[in-house]
Amino acid sequence: EVQLLESGGGLVQPGGSLRLSCAASGFTFSTYALNWVRQAPGKGLEWVSAISGSGGTTYYADSVKGRFTISRDNSKNTLYLQMNSLRAEDTALYYCAKPTSGWYIIDYWGQGTLVAVSS
Amino acid sequence: DIQMTQSPSSLSASVGDRVTITCRASQGISSYLNWYQQKPGKAPKLLIYAASSLQSGVPSRFSGSGSGTDFTLSISSLQPEDFATYFCQQTYNVPPTFGQGTKVDIK
Repeated sequence: EVQLLESGGGLVQPGGSLRLSCAASGFTFSTYALNWVRQAPGKGLEWVSAISGSGGTTYYADSVKGRFTISRDNSKNTLYLQMNSLRAEDTALYYCAKPTSGWYIIDYWGQGTLVAVSS
Repeated sequence: DIQMTQSPSSLSASVGDRVTITCRASQGISSYLNWYQQKPGKAPKLLIYAASSLQSGVPSRFSGSGSGTDFTLSISSLQPEDFATYFCQQTYNVPPTFGQGTKVDIK
């Protein structure tokens, strides 16, 4: 059974940093690209970032480019999102998301970890 | 970025009704269109991929159609467990973008 368990969310002041983690199990981790998708409270879904199975290729939404860094440790079956220079508009539930194949059609989601940016 | 626009933003329907939700892309996306269902407090669930392919385990009352810029998600006979918010997503190019959602609630 595929499981994705996010952690690392919390309350942070504007300009601060957080690192999210996603521990994965139930599939061959290194063979899948992975995504972070966020959802602001009461709002829709916004794709944030993606990384290839090897970690060698990454993509970012313009809204986070230069501030967020996606990475993975295939020896630990863990995905990360380093978030720097956080802004109020980054407040959201952050989902770790696994695609069916390819990159972006998501068939498994974690439960999400909440990031709140406020002074 | 490709903009995805869903209509309506919300609708009220009764159990047994046929429901149709539309999604329009700001440019042609072939059949690179997916549909998700999200219930309150839960992660989204993939229903339809590639515009019309039913994801494994999804009831056959759900169907998708369209290509190019105009797409529809249909529920042939609405069930109590179908009251939720539905999102379309294009995966034609990066960044993948979602529609704003359509909330289906009980009439």
